[in-house]
Amino acid sequence: DVKVTQSSRYLVKRTGEKVFLECVQDMDHENMFWYRQDPGLGLRLIYFSYDVKMKEKGDIPEGYSVSREKKERFSLILESASTNQTSMYLCASRLQGAIYGYTFGSGTRLTVV
Amino acid sequence: QQQVKQSPQSLIVQKGGIPIINCAYENTAFDYFPWYQQFPGKGPALLIAIRPDVSEKKEGRFTISFNKSAKQFSLHIMDSQPGDSATYFCAASIVGYQKVTFGIGTKLQVIP
Repeated sequence: DVKVTQSSRYLVKRTGEKVFLECVQDMDHENMFWYRQDPGLGLRLIYFSYDVKMKEKGDIPEGYSVSREKKERFSLILESASTNQTSMYLCASRLQGAIYGYTFGSGTRLTVV
Repeated sequence: QQQVKQSPQSLIVQKGGIPIINCAYENTAFDYFPWYQQFPGKGPALLIAIRPDVSEKKEGRFTISFNKSAKQFSLHIMDSQPGDSATYFCAASIVGYQKVTFGIGTKLQVIP
């Protein structure tokens, strides 16, 4: 069964910390995505990557950066965590050009205190 | 700018009822409309999807109705069960492009 694995299920960090969220997929997918999910706002795209070392900003990239050094791994970085970044973060992947939808990970619930 | 508008945000139905979730889109270039189902503690999973060349698609108890001229589509769940209680997201994308635009989600509760 295909899998997208997010390294942490729950994470608590302090304001100002640098935070790394890790995502690994085993499907050889070219495309990977980071979303945040908030009640009443749905899923909002932060960044996506269409290939190794390639990245593009999504709809809400401010305060975030990403890294994709290997095809299977896509990292989301919060340069200086703030309380308004408390959220559920979802990673997803998809085969380049595929008509079908994403495969999502189970999410990382990040709390910034 | 919300390109895919979803309603209602929450819905409670009795077992056996037919919940209906509605979505409307603005970008006429969208040509792929998936629905995702998310259970608590899990990531969303693809449930059913439709292309605009058909007006209806059924998979089991789940049906998508699509109205291209009105730029609207909806999800119907026939004979709903408590196990259908989840959050449902509609989405839209352009085939060949990476981005998918999601609605805000509908939290469905099916009570016995």
